[in-house]
Amino acid sequence: DTAVSQTPKYLVTQMGNDKSIKCEQNLGHDTMYWYKQDSKKFLKIMFSYNNKELIINETVPNRFSPKSPDKAHLNLHINSLELGDSAVYFCASSQAHNEQYFGPGTRLTVT
Amino acid sequence: AQSVTQLDSQVPVFEEAPVELRCNYSSSVSVYLFWYVQYPNQGLQLLLKYLSGSTLVESINGFEAEFNKSQTSFHLRKPSVHISDTAEYFCAVTRNTGGFKTIFGAGTRLFVKA
Repeated sequence: DTAVSQTPKYLVTQMGNDKSIKCEQNLGHDTMYWYKQDSKKFLKIMFSYNNKELIINETVPNRFSPKSPDKAHLNLHINSLELGDSAVYFCASSQAHNEQYFGPGTRLTVT
Repeated sequence: AQSVTQLDSQVPVFEEAPVELRCNYSSSVSVYLFWYVQYPNQGLQLLLKYLSGSTLVESINGFEAEFNKSQTSFHLRKPSVHISDTAEYFCAVTRNTGGFKTIFGAGTRLFVKA
């Protein structure tokens, strides 16, 4: 049973397109996150939701819009994709101050 | 402001040698400390954590870390590494500021050579 799952695993698309990445966790956690990991492995927090409410919104272009239909799901929609959006995007979840559980990642390539 | 510094971006080491990956943080409030490991083409997974209690914490695969409050450090150590320990290691710090916020270090690439 996968704790945190993401789809798709790979996403190749052209500049200007709109795409979505889905995330689901079956751990019953209250908090979910989206991270961007660049080619140098640097991990940057993008968004955090607690019980479907946005609590962290770092400096991210407004082309990125998270949506949490319920506390087990946190999706990421990206409009007008740019070359610089190419990265690996990770979803994670946690309960209070405890450790985060990460999904397997979505490798986005924008051409 | 809170920050997490991993002092080494890469650490090459021979198999069966000891290793230490350094992590320092800055925070004016109480923190919770974590080390995560990322193997190639995978997500991060928890290696060990300090939440409270004993300042020395251990993982099931031989790693240990010690929380040093006076030096604001949480260095990761292993007395004898294996080839399979080759991975990216991230130190992370969570603090409670009315909500829990986690900052990750930039990562340290451990490369174990035969």
